[in-house]
Amino acid sequence: AQRVTQPEKLLSVFKGAPVELKCNYSYSGSPELFWYVQYSRQRLQLLLRHISRESIKGFTADLNKGETSFHLKKPFAQEEDSAMYYCALSTGNQFYFGTGTSLTVIP
Amino acid sequence: NAGVMQNPRHLVRRRGQEARLRCSPMKGHSHVYWYRQLPEEGLKFMVYLQKENIIDESGMPKERFSAEFPKEGPSILRIQQVVRGDSAAYFCASSPVGTGELFFGEGSRLTVL
Repeated sequence: AQRVTQPEKLLSVFKGAPVELKCNYSYSGSPELFWYVQYSRQRLQLLLRHISRESIKGFTADLNKGETSFHLKKPFAQEEDSAMYYCALSTGNQFYFGTGTSLTVIP
Repeated sequence: NAGVMQNPRHLVRRRGQEARLRCSPMKGHSHVYWYRQLPEEGLKFMVYLQKENIIDESGMPKERFSAEFPKEGPSILRIQQVVRGDSAAYFCASSPVGTGELFFGEGSRLTVL
């Protein structure tokens, strides 16, 4: 069965500190992985996907098939990064989301 | 393109009443997904539909919940005989054919008194 695990419900870091939001997945096929973000009072939106291998708002995520992980990283957190972050796995037309990590960046 | 539209944004029902939540996908999108968000629990998949077809409803409770996506008009998530435990935010997302990005609506918040 497909599963996405985000072990941290809450994560607080100081402004300027590095941040890593963890995501592990289980899927027997070839996964397509995403990170979605929900800022306060806004709708959920795509942050980045692994196939594009790009950096969005300073965030990067590398797919590690050996560890079945897709951790989201940013070297220097900003206050505007405070939001809810969801890791998602696509198996074709189906999407599975983790339970989310609420990131708070402390000024 | 107006994006995924959900209505109502807020709905209050008493126990035993019916709740109907509507979702209009983005223009050109034929795939619709419904998710439920409970406090502290993140997003839980409920159902995946294409026009006139339910593709995957493995996340739907077997009783009281139903969904449709007719040829014309919005997708509807229907909850009959609501109970307090149904209080949650219900999100709809759409995508074009095939894999790719999901576009979310702003959600419908159901409160059951």
